[in-house]
Amino acid sequence: EPEVTQTPSHQVTQMGQEVILRCVPISNHLYFYWYRQILGQKVEFLVSFYNNEISEKSEIFDDQFSVERPDGSNFTLKIRSTKLEDSAMYFCASSDPGRGVAKNIQYFGAGTRLSVL
Amino acid sequence: LAKTTQPISMDSYEGQEVNITCSHNNIATNDYITWYQQFPSQGPRFIIQGYKTKVTNEVASLFIPADRKSSTLSLPRVSLSDTAVYYCLVGERTSGTYKYIFGTGTRLKVLA
Repeated sequence: EPEVTQTPSHQVTQMGQEVILRCVPISNHLYFYWYRQILGQKVEFLVSFYNNEISEKSEIFDDQFSVERPDGSNFTLKIRSTKLEDSAMYFCASSDPGRGVAKNIQYFGAGTRLSVL
Repeated sequence: LAKTTQPISMDSYEGQEVNITCSHNNIATNDYITWYQQFPSQGPRFIIQGYKTKVTNEVASLFIPADRKSSTLSLPRVSLSDTAVYYCLVGERTSGTYKYIFGTGTRLKVLA
């Protein structure tokens, strides 16, 4: 079964450093997403991406965050200058709204745990 | 801002039916309701999706009333391996912006 893959599984960084989290969405999917989950809390939407541009973003996704699809397979989330409160699990998801009557089922990766020290 | 809310936790015994409800007052008109299962340190795993009335697949049923402001996930006969956190996911449009909102999550514990 195709799956979303994320690397690395765990990223440790110093406050103020830039980090890039990487995702390989399911190959025929057209929509891509990033979410985060702070330890013990629910999953929160960050951004959705379609046709090489951001389609929706939440208030969490401020100027410190950016997304990119640098080639035909990868989808990245960059945090420019990390803060302690950016420590969380970051999930990538992808979807293919054209699949029959089931609209926009998002399939999630296993996540990257980001620890900011 | 209305939240998408679920009961915090539920306990059940093996073999019982479990119903988990999500309240989503701000669901966008054309959006679907999706339910996910999450185990510790893993990503959300798709269970079922619906738009209205009732949907059933091999693992669950989803009941959605006519006003679509809530939905109920039904797990027919739970086993120990169903112990997990269950989330609903809906799209909400407020003040012209659209975003995906996960429910607050329900921690289901299945007892032997």
